[in-house]
Amino acid sequence: EAQVTQNPRYLITVTGKKLTVTCSQNMNHEYMSWYRQDPGLGLRQIYYSMNVEVTDKGDVPEGYKVSRKEKRNFPLILESPSPNQTSLYFCASSLGGVNRVTQPQHFGDGTRLSIL
Amino acid sequence: AQSVAQPEDQVNVAEGNPLTVKCTYSVSGNPYLFWYVQYPNRGLQFLLKYITGDNLVKGSYGFEAEFNKSQTSFHLKKPSALVSDSALYFCAVRGLSDNYGQNFVFGPGTRLSVLP
Repeated sequence: EAQVTQNPRYLITVTGKKLTVTCSQNMNHEYMSWYRQDPGLGLRQIYYSMNVEVTDKGDVPEGYKVSRKEKRNFPLILESPSPNQTSLYFCASSLGGVNRVTQPQHFGDGTRLSIL
Repeated sequence: AQSVAQPEDQVNVAEGNPLTVKCTYSVSGNPYLFWYVQYPNRGLQFLLKYITGDNLVKGSYGFEAEFNKSQTSFHLKKPSALVSDSALYFCAVRGLSDNYGQNFVFGPGTRLSVLP
């Protein structure tokens, strides 16, 4: 089954304790992206990756890091989490190539982070 | 810079009645428009997209959307609503940007409630 898998689904942690949210897709997609969802704001892009070893900032990258060492994985790293990073996070992937702008994204089921 | 507006936070409709969820956009160049649906505790699911061609686009679960270039709108419609259509709906645009359209921009979402 084609899917984007995020782990963990839920996490409560404390300020300053480094955490990683993993994301893996099995569709051989070139493009991957991280979003955060906050009430009334919709989804805002944190980082995206057009392919292995190619990453770029989205609209709200501060406080986050990503890496893309393998095509299937795109982990999101919070080096020193703060309460304002409490949110619902989604990983997504889509095909790349010349027609990438016309491709819909496939989303994981989300990770709810609470930073105390 | 591209943007998406969904002017209604909440739409209520009786089961069996037609429904419309509104979306307007602002983008440089040709817009690539998408609708997604989010059910509780799940990621976003792709419904339909407009890339080019016929202004009326048909998608999953009986939904359709009408692209109106002069009004820069892309309203989601369904002729007969079901209770199971109750969910959060997001409009998204992907257009030309400095990053060649890599970024999706999502609207804030509209919560649809279909009343039995």
